[in-house]
Amino acid sequence: KAGVTQTPRYLIKTRGQQVTLSCSPISGHRSVSWYQQTPGQGLQFLFEYFSETQRNKGNFPGRFSGRQFSNSRSEMNVSTLELGDSALYLCASSSAGTMNTEAFFGQGTRLTVV
Amino acid sequence: KNEVEQSPQNLTAQEGEFITINCSYSVGISALHWLQQHPGGGIVSLFMLSSGKKKHGRLIATINIQEKHSSLHITASHPRDSAVYICAVSRSNYQLIWGAGTKLIIKP
Repeated sequence: KAGVTQTPRYLIKTRGQQVTLSCSPISGHRSVSWYQQTPGQGLQFLFEYFSETQRNKGNFPGRFSGRQFSNSRSEMNVSTLELGDSALYLCASSSAGTMNTEAFFGQGTRLTVV
Repeated sequence: KNEVEQSPQNLTAQEGEFITINCSYSVGISALHWLQQHPGGGIVSLFMLSSGKKKHGRLIATINIQEKHSSLHITASHPRDSAVYICAVSRSNYQLIWGAGTKLIIKP
């Protein structure tokens, strides 16, 4: 079965712009979680969605938002981009959430803000 | 202090050596995950553990819940095992808390 698909793979944006990233989970998986990876901070939790409901949000400013659609695909949006938002954004798909089910990751979207 | 600590941070070994990477955590967890990240960014799940021991090929993962400690072992290491190995713990609030990773280089 198809893996987790993240689009786009690479993105270059200018400060102040906004960006939308997409994650299509494995078929049948209802949980999608998002993570930001930077050299300085490592991997940090952004948010988790299950059946279109956000169940938890990490410690990020309100410029970071997300949603999940009825087909379990998820998008995250970052508005008013800052240089510090440059990072690899990873999404993870699991059947019920990473609490007790295995997570499968996409290849990530590498965002560069200039 | 980080909630998930990994050691060593970097590890270089010769092909064929037995490798051990350690992970300690200080919070209550639902499960512990071992993951592998290659250059380019993609992350692959190796194991999810909530107790005991799991084995997959040359990889073995163990967890001691009482001591809040887990280890990942690689037997007969090979240059293709070179990657960053990351320990992450699941909490009941649906988030993963990540260790800083161990960069492993296996020399031929």
